[in-house]
Amino acid sequence: GAVVSQHPSRVICKSGTSVKIECRSLDFQATTMFWYRQFPKKSLMLMATSNEGSKATYEQGVEKDKFLINHASLTLSTLTVTSAHPEDSSFYICSASKRERADTQYFGPGTRLTVL
Amino acid sequence: AQTVTQSQPEMSVQEAETVTLSCTYDTSESDYYLFWYKQPPSRQMILVIRQEAYKQQNATENRFSVNFQKAAKSFSLKISDSQLGDAAMYFCAYRSVGVYNAGNMLTFGGGTRLMVKP
Repeated sequence: GAVVSQHPSRVICKSGTSVKIECRSLDFQATTMFWYRQFPKKSLMLMATSNEGSKATYEQGVEKDKFLINHASLTLSTLTVTSAHPEDSSFYICSASKRERADTQYFGPGTRLTVL
Repeated sequence: AQTVTQSQPEMSVQEAETVTLSCTYDTSESDYYLFWYKQPPSRQMILVIRQEAYKQQNATENRFSVNFQKAAKSFSLKISDSQLGDAAMYFCAYRSVGVYNAGNMLTFGGGTRLMVKP
């Protein structure tokens, strides 16, 4: 199997607060994890790529100080949205690839963030 | 940079019929991977099918098959015997076979919403 979980599935927070989203690979070791953002009725936009034990690589236009990514172990990556604002409200999806099959990404169920 | 285009924003099909979703891509690379992902209303992205560009044989997974035309840079998905549960957004995606980080990223098309009529 290749199961990826995300927690929480939904979160509502006040403007100015920080929110942490966890992404876990449940039955495999994930050498690489990815974070995407998806706007309503739109495709997925890659935010950053992270490898275990090293700094994340952010896509152009993504603020690394606002979207902090930590990939502390082979099964866990976290995305922290710092000082969240209403425009950060979105659907955030993580994915992970296995060491033995690096070409394929397995996706988590996503997290709906609403910033009031 | 690679681009992926899905020219059909919406498609509909009668239950039990066959439907084909289109995908074209632009690349200068000779080796790469192509994928179709399904995103149902639950928003969970599900891998439907995977194709390696160096393989001439079209990938199949049960009722799902692809028509991979490398020269035309086309990668269409055929769904046979459509079921109500097939209703979803379908995304075509491209992945390079390249250097470590750059090779890992997926480039997605804009998606096609498939509706299945009972």
